[in-house]
Amino acid sequence: KQEVTQIPAALSVPEGENLVLNCSFTDSAIYNLQWFRQDPGKGLTSLLLIQSSQREQTSGRLNASLDKSSGRSTLYIAASQPGDSATYLCARSNSGYALNFGKGTSLLVTP
Amino acid sequence: GAGVSQSPSNKVTEKGKDVELRCDPISGHTALYWYRQSLGQGLEFLIYFQGNSAPDKSGLPSDRFSAERTGGSVSTLTIQRTQQEDSAVYLCASSWDSSRNEQFFGPGTRLTVL
Repeated sequence: KQEVTQIPAALSVPEGENLVLNCSFTDSAIYNLQWFRQDPGKGLTSLLLIQSSQREQTSGRLNASLDKSSGRSTLYIAASQPGDSATYLCARSNSGYALNFGKGTSLLVTP
Repeated sequence: GAGVSQSPSNKVTEKGKDVELRCDPISGHTALYWYRQSLGQGLEFLIYFQGNSAPDKSGLPSDRFSAERTGGSVSTLTIQRTQQEDSAVYLCASSWDSSRNEQFFGPGTRLTVL
């Protein structure tokens, strides 16, 4: 079974800091990688999707990169805000459909 | 436009009862997925539908679980003879098709089996 690991499991930072969330995966035969955020008691909100042919994607203050050779993806959040507090999940697919999820990084941004 | 919707949002049932969970995908999306999120297990894939093709049921944990998708749109996940270990949040997602595969999730159904 392909493994997806997210480090750290939890992170607390003061408002305004830039931060990096890490995701690593076994098996470089990746189809795409998707980052989500999940607020308590809610579903998943898609943040960024990186196709296997791409190296990064950007949306506003978020930037996600993909390095297939090392089996890593990072999510960079610039100028963090309290509203960014949530759990961030990365998920990969190597077959074009079913996503294999990491267990997430719980982020707290303090005012 | 409207996102993925799921009903009910919460379901409490007694052990041994059958339950049905419903998912309405985003209009026009041909692919539909069911996942389960439980404490300690994270998110796990259950089943996948693509158009009129036979579904991929490889993630279903037992034969008590089944799903159907009518008319290529609405899907129902059925759990028969529920067990306490079935308690979890059941999430549905849809995408334009499997090649593009950016999946959009619904709010989930929280199932509690007493």
